[in-house]
Amino acid sequence: DVKVTQSSRYLVKRTGEKVFLECVQDMDHENMFWYRQDPGLGLRLIYFSYDVKMKEKGDIPEGYSVSREKKERFSLILESASTNQTSMYLCASSLPTGVNEQFFGPGTRLTVL
Amino acid sequence: GENVEQHPSTLSVQEGDSAVIKCTYSDSASNYFPWYKQELGKGPQLIIDIRSNVGEKKDQRIAVTLNKTAKHFSLHITETQPEDSAVYFCAASILGGKLTFGQGTILTVHP
Repeated sequence: DVKVTQSSRYLVKRTGEKVFLECVQDMDHENMFWYRQDPGLGLRLIYFSYDVKMKEKGDIPEGYSVSREKKERFSLILESASTNQTSMYLCASSLPTGVNEQFFGPGTRLTVL
Repeated sequence: GENVEQHPSTLSVQEGDSAVIKCTYSDSASNYFPWYKQELGKGPQLIIDIRSNVGEKKDQRIAVTLNKTAKHFSLHITETQPEDSAVYFCAASILGGKLTFGQGTILTVHP
């Protein structure tokens, strides 16, 4: 079974702090994604990566950056956390072509005070 | 870019009834339409998908229909059970490309 794990289930940070959210997948998937989930807005893509050291902006990249130094790990970075970044963050991975199924982690609920 | 609208936002049914969730999309180039189910405390999980060369697909109690002309697709769940209670998301993409998700539907099945 594909397993996608996220470093924390719940996280509370202060405004202005630098925040790291880590995601690891164990199925050798090339593609990895970061989404945020907000009520009434669904899942919105922040950043994605098709390969190591490669990244592409999604629909809402402002205020975020990412890092992918190893194939299995994809990190989301909030350089200076703000209250409007309080949300559920979901990581996903998938194979590169053909079948498009994305496998999601359990999510990290981030609260910025 | 693609825009996906999903309705209703909440749906409450009695056990054994059917449930229907509808989505519309804007980009006529989209050709892949998956549905994800998110149970409490978990990430979304793919339950069924359909590609644009097919009008309908069934898997036991769930089915998806696609109308490419009207640019809408629907999820049908028959004989609902309490374990069907979850948040359901539709999505659209060009096969192999990034997914654009709908807003989500909270389905509650009452015993």
